[in-house]
Amino acid sequence: DQQVKQNSPSLSVQEGRISILNCDYTNSMFDYFLWYKKYPAEGPTFLISISSIKDKNEDGRFTVFLNKSAKHLSLHIVPSQPGDSAVYFCAATGGKLIFGQGTELSVKP
Amino acid sequence: EAQVTQNPRYLITVTGKKLTVTCSQNMNHEYMSWYRQDPGLGLRQIYYSMNVEVTDKGDVPEGYKVSRKEKRNFPLILESPSPNQTSLYFCASSPRRHANEQFFGPGTRLTVL
Repeated sequence: DQQVKQNSPSLSVQEGRISILNCDYTNSMFDYFLWYKKYPAEGPTFLISISSIKDKNEDGRFTVFLNKSAKHLSLHIVPSQPGDSAVYFCAATGGKLIFGQGTELSVKP
Repeated sequence: EAQVTQNPRYLITVTGKKLTVTCSQNMNHEYMSWYRQDPGLGLRQIYYSMNVEVTDKGDVPEGYKVSRKEKRNFPLILESPSPNQTSLYFCASSPRRHANEQFFGPGTRLTVL
């Protein structure tokens, strides 16, 4: 049973526009959420995180939103750049880190 | 340079032939773990280690072994590989106080024929 789900395998966005990547989870015991970014032939790299006591965390062009009642989090990238093209994994933990399936973002010039 | 290294990066082997994938980190991290990445399944944890001589099973430990004799090294051992272990493997490490913000190695692409 997939506790962390990213239902969109891929997303295509124009450069300069907003990218919104979504993630749903089922376990209400999760208390910390993260996003990782992965380029081809490289390992994932930590991008941004949010604690369950917050509903928003911002770091430059990247903002993560958490809606606990809907068990949903999203990553907003504004403005999107071609270098943002990568696979994005959301992850959640209440002790053990559980990853989603990933969403491949393509930012077109 | 702070990094996690894995060797080999690519490996093709046959069923039943024992193999080891090495993992080393130079950041003095207490926490290390192994993941496998498969299409549609994301990253799944195989084993993890909170510190030297302390290892524990992740979500998919069957068919794998690990050891943590030194803080910097965390090898993954497949005693008798099978085709369903064909996958992309990642080693990761982190300081214990930030165990979730992990540093990943570049990955090992394993094919078992």
